[in-house]
Amino acid sequence: KQEVTQIPAALSVPEGENLVLNCSFTDSAIYNLQWFRQDPGKGLTSLLLIQSSQREQTSGRLNASLDKSSGRSTLYIAASQPGDSATYLCAVERGGADGLTFGKGTHLIIQP
Amino acid sequence: NAGVTQTPKFQVLKTGQSMTLQCAQDMNHEYMSWYRQDPGMGLRLIHYSVGAGITDQGEVPNGYNVSRSTTEDFPLRLLSAAPSQTSVYFCASRYRPTDTQYFGPGTRLTVL
Repeated sequence: KQEVTQIPAALSVPEGENLVLNCSFTDSAIYNLQWFRQDPGKGLTSLLLIQSSQREQTSGRLNASLDKSSGRSTLYIAASQPGDSATYLCAVERGGADGLTFGKGTHLIIQP
Repeated sequence: NAGVTQTPKFQVLKTGQSMTLQCAQDMNHEYMSWYRQDPGMGLRLIHYSVGAGITDQGEVPNGYNVSRSTTEDFPLRLLSAAPSQTSVYFCASRYRPTDTQYFGPGTRLTVL
C-alpha cells in the first residue's frame, strides 16, 4: 500500500526566506506527483503536477522536483511572502482512475 | 465556469439520520471522486466514478453510497450517519485519470 510522508509537519519562517518542503512515498510505481495548497476552511488548489518521466516543474516562485527511484519530491518556495501561509499537500497518482494518495501536509506560516 | 460546487457547506446530523451531499461540475469531466479529510489522517478516497453509470469503491467506502446518473453530478449518500463520519468532505473532478484534479470547497459534516 502506497504511503506518503511529508516533513516537516509544520514550519514557521520569516518573510523573504527560501524554503523547502519534503515529500516521500513508499512505492515508486507512480504516474505523477502533485503539490496542492489548502487555505484554512477552503478546498485544495493544484500548484504543480510532475509526470513520472519529468524531473521538475516550475511555476513562478515555486519549483517542484521528483526523484522517482528514491521516492522523493521537494517543493521549493523562493522569497517567501505572508500570502504563502497555508497547508501544502503532496499527493501521488498510480495511474488508474482511483485517485490520489495524499500526505498529511506541511502547515506553513510566513511571519511578516 | 463555476468549477466544482458542493452543497451544503455545513451540516449537523444526529446519529442514524441520512443525508445526501451534493457535488456538481460544469467542466464536462468524466472522472469524479469523493474524499474525506480528518485531522492527522490526510485526505482519503471514499468512492470514485469514471463516467455516468460507473462507480467504484475507494479506500474508505463503508457507510457511503454513490451513483452517477449524469456527467455533471456525483452525489454522496450517508445511509445512517455515525459520529465516525464527522469530517470534511471534498468532491473532485478531472477530464482524464492522470490530469490535475479540481476540488470543490468542501462540506463540513458533524454527526452528534
